[in-house]
Amino acid sequence: GENVEQHPSTLSVQEGDSAVIKCTYSDSASNYFPWYKQELGKRPQLIIDIRSNVGEKKDQRIAVTLNKTAKHFSLHITETQPEDSAVYFCVRDMRFGAGTRLTVKP
Amino acid sequence: DTGVSQDPRHKITKRGQNVTFRCDPISEHNRLYWYRQTLGQGPEFLTYFQNEAQLEKSRLLSDRFSAERPKGSFSTLEIQRTEQGDSAMYLCASSLTDRSPLHFGNGTRLTVT
Repeated sequence: GENVEQHPSTLSVQEGDSAVIKCTYSDSASNYFPWYKQELGKRPQLIIDIRSNVGEKKDQRIAVTLNKTAKHFSLHITETQPEDSAVYFCVRDMRFGAGTRLTVKP
Repeated sequence: DTGVSQDPRHKITKRGQNVTFRCDPISEHNRLYWYRQTLGQGPEFLTYFQNEAQLEKSRLLSDRFSAERPKGSFSTLEIQRTEQGDSAMYLCASSLTDRSPLHFGNGTRLTVT
């Protein structure tokens, strides 16, 4: 299966700051790059995805960027709010990254 | 869209017993996945189906685990001779294609005593 590395494992930011989470993958078999958010006690839910024919996709405060040459894709959250606090996962070929626990301090 | 449903929500069993979980995916979704998640970890891929065909099974999965999707609709996951290390949340997800979002059920929490 696909090997995906996710960093950082934890991230703490002040409300209003930006947060960036990065995933590095080992091959480019799939052209689909999703990110999921999992709040405590809940199921993972898709927050944004991108396909490899574009380099960036934005949805309000959330964006995903893709660098196929360097084989990494990143999640960007701007103007963070306390409700953004959760664990975020990148996924490649059905395999989840190890997750990043984001804490937004009010 | 009634979403992905899993049954039961919770299962407590004694070590050595067999358990079976059920997942009903979103009706038009061809692909169905099983994951296992323990506290503080991400979902660990177990297996997936394209319609009724089981196309991939994690090599980390012991032969005590078996999954079926006989008619390409609902799926069952069976664990034989359960061990304490099997205690986890078992998540089912479905998707329309390999390049569309996973929709997760609420999971079945297994506790092996």
